[in-house]
Amino acid sequence: GDSVTQMEGPVTLSEEAFLTINCTYTATGYPSLFWYVQYPGEGLQLLLKATKADDKGSNKGFEATYRKETTSFHLEKGSVQVSDSAVYFCALYNDYKLSFGAGTTVTVRA
Amino acid sequence: SAVISQKPSRDICQRGTSLTIQCQVDSQVTMMFWYRQQPGQSLTLIATANQGSEATYESGFVIDKFPISRPNLTFSTLTVSNMSPEDSSIYLCSVGEDWEQYFGPGTRLTVT
Repeated sequence: GDSVTQMEGPVTLSEEAFLTINCTYTATGYPSLFWYVQYPGEGLQLLLKATKADDKGSNKGFEATYRKETTSFHLEKGSVQVSDSAVYFCALYNDYKLSFGAGTTVTVRA
Repeated sequence: SAVISQKPSRDICQRGTSLTIQCQVDSQVTMMFWYRQQPGQSLTLIATANQGSEATYESGFVIDKFPISRPNLTFSTLTVSNMSPEDSSIYLCSVGEDWEQYFGPGTRLTVT
C-alpha cells in the first residue's frame, strides 16, 4: 500500500534559520503530494500541494518540489519565524485516500 | 473552506468505558471522515461517513468498536467503545471532496 516517510523530529531552530523537512513516499500510479501544518491548538491546514512530477508548491515562504525520480517532496523555507512553530505533515492522495507521514514538530526560537 | 469543531477537546477515560466524540461543521457537506493519530504515528483513516448511508470502514476498524452516526449534513459522531489503553490517540474529523479536506482540531483521548 501507499506510505509516506518523514524525517523524525523534533526540530529546533533559531529565527531566520533555513528549514528542511525530508519526505519520501511509496505509491503506485501518480499520486498528488501535500504538506499540511498544524499550529498549536488548531486543526490541520493545507500548506501547499503539487499534483504532478516537477510541480513546485509554495505558500507562506515554504516550497516543495515533486521529484518523481527520487519519490520525494521535501519541504523548505529559507528564513523561519517563531510563528512557523508547528507540526508539519507530508501526505499523498492516491486511490481516493489521503495517506500521512508521522509528522515533524518544528520549534523556532527567537 | 469549512470551519469544524470537535467535542470534547480532550478526555481521560477508564478502560472498558465508551466515549462519543462530536464533530460539527459550519456548512453542509456530503463526505465526512474520521482519523486516528496514535502517539508518534501517522494519521490513519478509520471510516468515511456519508449522510444517509452506513459508514465505510477501513481495514482494521470495525463498526462494533467505532460506531459512527451521521444524522445530517453538518454533524457526525464517533464512539470509541470498550476502550483499552491502546485506544489512547488523537481522533480527528475532516470534511471535503477528494484530496481537498479540512480538519477539525482533534480530540485527545487518554485511556487509563
